[in-house]
Amino acid sequence: AQKITQTQPGMFVQEKEAVTLDCTYDTSDPSYGLFWYKQPSSGEMIFLIYQGSYDQQNATEGRYSLNFQKARKSANLVISASQLGDSAMYFCAMSTRYGGSQGNLIFGKGTKLSVKP
Amino acid sequence: DAGVIQSPRHEVTEMGQEVTLRCKPISGHDYLFWYRQTMMRGLELLIYFNNNVPIDDSGMPEDRFSAKMPNASFSTLKIQPSEPRDSAVYFCASSKGQFYGYTFGSGTRLTVV
Repeated sequence: AQKITQTQPGMFVQEKEAVTLDCTYDTSDPSYGLFWYKQPSSGEMIFLIYQGSYDQQNATEGRYSLNFQKARKSANLVISASQLGDSAMYFCAMSTRYGGSQGNLIFGKGTKLSVKP
Repeated sequence: DAGVIQSPRHEVTEMGQEVTLRCKPISGHDYLFWYRQTMMRGLELLIYFNNNVPIDDSGMPEDRFSAKMPNASFSTLKIQPSEPRDSAVYFCASSKGQFYGYTFGSGTRLTVV
C-alpha cells in the first residue's frame, strides 16, 4: 500500500536559518512522483517542488530543495534562509503510476513550521 | 491563467439541506480532483476525473455524496442531505497528469449546523 509519513507535527526555526522537514514514503511501484505543498494560515495549497522517482538529481526551486534518498525512501524538504512568511503547514505527497492510487496524490499529515524572528 | 476557481468560498447550511460545490479547472488540465480536509483525517481524496470521466470514487464517504463533470471546464460536488460531520474544507485541484504539479483551488469551507 502507498503511504506518506511525516513524523514532525511541528517545528521551529530561527529566521535566516535552514530547516529540514522530513518525509518518508512507501510504495512498491517503480514509477512515482513526490511533491511538497505549503498551506499558510489563509488555507490555500501552494505547490512548492516535485521530484520524479527516476530523476537523477535532487529537485531545487529557489530556496526549496528536495533531498531525495531513494534507497531510504525519503524525500525531505530543505528550506534555506527561512523567512517569516515560511510559517505554514507543509505537506509531503506522492503520486504513483500504477496501483490503487494511480493518478491521485496521497498526502502526509503535515508539519507545522514556525519561523521565529 | 486564473487558476482553479472554486465557489462558494464559504458555505453555512442547516443539517438536511443540499449543498453544491463548484469547480472550474485550469484549461488544458485533463485531471480533476476533489479533496476534503479536516483536522482529524487530514487531506482525503474523494474522487477524481480524467478527461471528464470518473476514475476513482472510492473515497466518496457514502451515497449522500455525488460528483459530476459534465464538461472539461466544470465540476460539481453535491452533498444531499448534509450532516454536521460533513463540515470541512473541500478542495478542487487540477493537473496535466500524475507527475505534474497539481494546482489547487482556494477551497470551500463548509459548515453544517
